[in-house]
Amino acid sequence: HGQLQESGPGLVKPSETISLTCSVSGGSISSDSYYWNWIRQRPGQGLEWIGYIYATGNTDYNPSLRSRVTMSVDTSKNQFSLRLSSATAADTAIYYCARGTPPFYYDSSAFYDEGAFDIWGQGTVVTVSS
Amino acid sequence: SSELTQDPAVSVALGQTVRITCHGDSFRNYYASWYQQKPGQAPVLVIYGKNNRPSGIPDRFSGSSSGNTASLTITGAQAEDEADYYCNSRDSSGNPYVFGTGTKVTVL
Repeated sequence: HGQLQESGPGLVKPSETISLTCSVSGGSISSDSYYWNWIRQRPGQGLEWIGYIYATGNTDYNPSLRSRVTMSVDTSKNQFSLRLSSATAADTAIYYCARGTPPFYYDSSAFYDEGAFDIWGQGTVVTVSS
Repeated sequence: SSELTQDPAVSVALGQTVRITCHGDSFRNYYASWYQQKPGQAPVLVIYGKNNRPSGIPDRFSGSSSGNTASLTITGAQAEDEADYYCNSRDSSGNPYVFGTGTKVTVL
C-alpha cells in the first residue's frame, strides 16, 4: 500500500512561488494508470483540486488556477512537484498530494467514474506572508 | 465557486441512519466519490464509482445516485463517523474533480 509525503517551505512571501514536492513510497509512480494530484484546503474551508500529472508528464489543472500552476514529475526519484506562482494570502492553505485511480465507464448503467483520490499525504501547511 | 452543493450540517442519533446528499447536474451520468475528514487529519476515501468501498471502510457506508443527486448513506452511525464529508465529481461546466461544499455530521 503506497504512501505519499509532502515537503516544501512552510512560509512563502507574497508574489513569490510556492514549490512543493510529493514523495511516493511503497510503489512506483509509473505503475498502472494512476495519476498524481495536488489538492488544497484553505483555513476553515473546503477542499479544492489544483491539478494532476501522469508519469508521462500529461497534466490537467483547475481552470481557476491554470495560469499560475505548473506540475512536474521525476520518475527516477518517484516524486512529483507543484509550483504555484504569484502567491497571495489567498493561497495560504494545507496542501495535500493524493493518488488518483483510473477512470472507468460502466456499460451497464452508462455512468462514468472519472476516478477518485485513494491515497493521501498527511498535508503540509503553507503560509503566504511577508 | 463549487457547483456541487451539500447541506452544511446534519445530525444523527447513535446507531441510526443518515443520508448525506450532493446536488449537481453531472450526477445524471457521473458517479461521485466521497471523502471523510476528521479534524486535523487528511481526507479519507470512503466511496467511489458505483458504490465501491476501499479496503478497511466499513460496510455501513454506501453510495447511490438518483437524478441530479448523489448520496452517501451511513447505516448504523457510530461515534467515530462524526466528521466532515465531501463529495467529488465533475461540475456542469465539465470541470473535473470539483469538491462539494461539505457536510458536517454530528453523531448524538
